[in-house]
Amino acid sequence: EVQLVESGGGLVKPGGSLRLSCAASGFTFSSAWMIWVRQAPGKGLEWVGRIKTAADGRTTDYAAPVKGRFTISRDDSQNTLYLQMDSLKTEDTAFYYCSTGRYSVIDHWGRGTLVTVSS
Amino acid sequence: DIQVTQFPSTLSASVGDRVTITCRASQNLDSWLAWYQQKPGKAPKLLIYKASNLETGIPSRFSGSGSGTDFSLTISSLQPDDFATYYCQQYKTYPCTFGQGTKLDIK
Repeated sequence: EVQLVESGGGLVKPGGSLRLSCAASGFTFSSAWMIWVRQAPGKGLEWVGRIKTAADGRTTDYAAPVKGRFTISRDDSQNTLYLQMDSLKTEDTAFYYCSTGRYSVIDHWGRGTLVTVSS
Repeated sequence: DIQVTQFPSTLSASVGDRVTITCRASQNLDSWLAWYQQKPGKAPKLLIYKASNLETGIPSRFSGSGSGTDFSLTISSLQPDDFATYYCQQYKTYPCTFGQGTKLDIK
């Protein structure tokens, strides 16, 4: 069974940094494109970014609001996905979901971790 | 970036009704569009991929259609479990983008 478990969320001040982790199991992590999606409380889904496999060059793509501030990385030896978030803004407050699927179609999601950016 | 406009934003319907939700893209997507269902406090669930392909395990009352810039999700006969929020997602180009969502509630 595919399992994706996010951790690392919490309260951070504007301008601060946070690193989220996602522990993956139940599938061949090294062969999977991994995606972060976020959802502000009571709002819609927002695609954050994606990292391809090592075989595909670990290529990353990001949504415009986070480009240059967020970095996605992966450790295939630990089956772990990361989201490094720098220069955080209040509008980054959201639940952050780790996800995967068939390339860009998401068929497995974690339960999410809440990031709150507030002074 | 490709913009995806979803409508209506809310839809009130009754059990047994046939409902349709629409997504319109700012550029041609071919068939690279997916639909998801989300219930409160839960992660989304994939319903449809590549515009009209039903995900394994999803009831056949759900169907998707369209190509290019106009797409729709139809539920042929609403069941109590279907009252939720629905999102479309384009994956023709990066960054991928979601529609704003349609909340389907009980009339």
